[in-house]
Amino acid sequence: GQNIDQPTEMTATEGAIVQINCTYQTSGFNGLFWYQQHAGEAPTFLSYNVLDGLEEKGRFSSFLSRSKGYSYLLLKELQMKDSASYLCAVSPNTGGFKTIFGAGTRLFVKA
Amino acid sequence: DSGVTQTPKHLITATGQRVTLRCSPRSGDLSVYWYQQSLDQGLQFLIQYYNGEERAKGNILERFSAQQFPDLHSELNLSSLELGDSALYFCASSVGVGEETQYFGPGTRLLVL
Repeated sequence: GQNIDQPTEMTATEGAIVQINCTYQTSGFNGLFWYQQHAGEAPTFLSYNVLDGLEEKGRFSSFLSRSKGYSYLLLKELQMKDSASYLCAVSPNTGGFKTIFGAGTRLFVKA
Repeated sequence: DSGVTQTPKHLITATGQRVTLRCSPRSGDLSVYWYQQSLDQGLQFLIQYYNGEERAKGNILERFSAQQFPDLHSELNLSSLELGDSALYFCASSVGVGEETQYFGPGTRLLVL
């Protein structure tokens, strides 16, 4: 089967660092996406990891461990505008391409 | 702006009715995906089309159908609407059929009364 787990909600303080974890179980695996979604808006692409390791992109970094079925999104120097849902999504290696999205982690950034 | 357009932005209709949602992908993208997102729920994949052909199917109800036209725009048809169909419907597009980044449209907010 296919399953993606991420925390429902997290709260952090402006200027701090927060790590959002995602674990997955899929039959076959191509890569893992992170998307950001503000309430009522469309998801926007943040990162895509295929290989193990950390990829840094400005204030955001994403890590993947294929052997552990684990990823995290690291947000540094948090800003109020980072308050949003963060969706972990897996690209399984099955016939027919369909990305599986997790339920998302709602991040609240407080002053 | 992702380059993906969806119309209409909002739609209010009654139970039992039928509606059509429209999506135009980014220029050059061949794949179109449809997703449903109910209040406080995750994105549920409905269906994918690639260059006019159905490529993958998710949890799409039999009352729902979709197609992709030769100009690559896509339509999602929802019929015999129920209250539970009220949701945000997103369309996304990508270049090919593999694991490329998907670019999402602004969504159509459907309210069934």
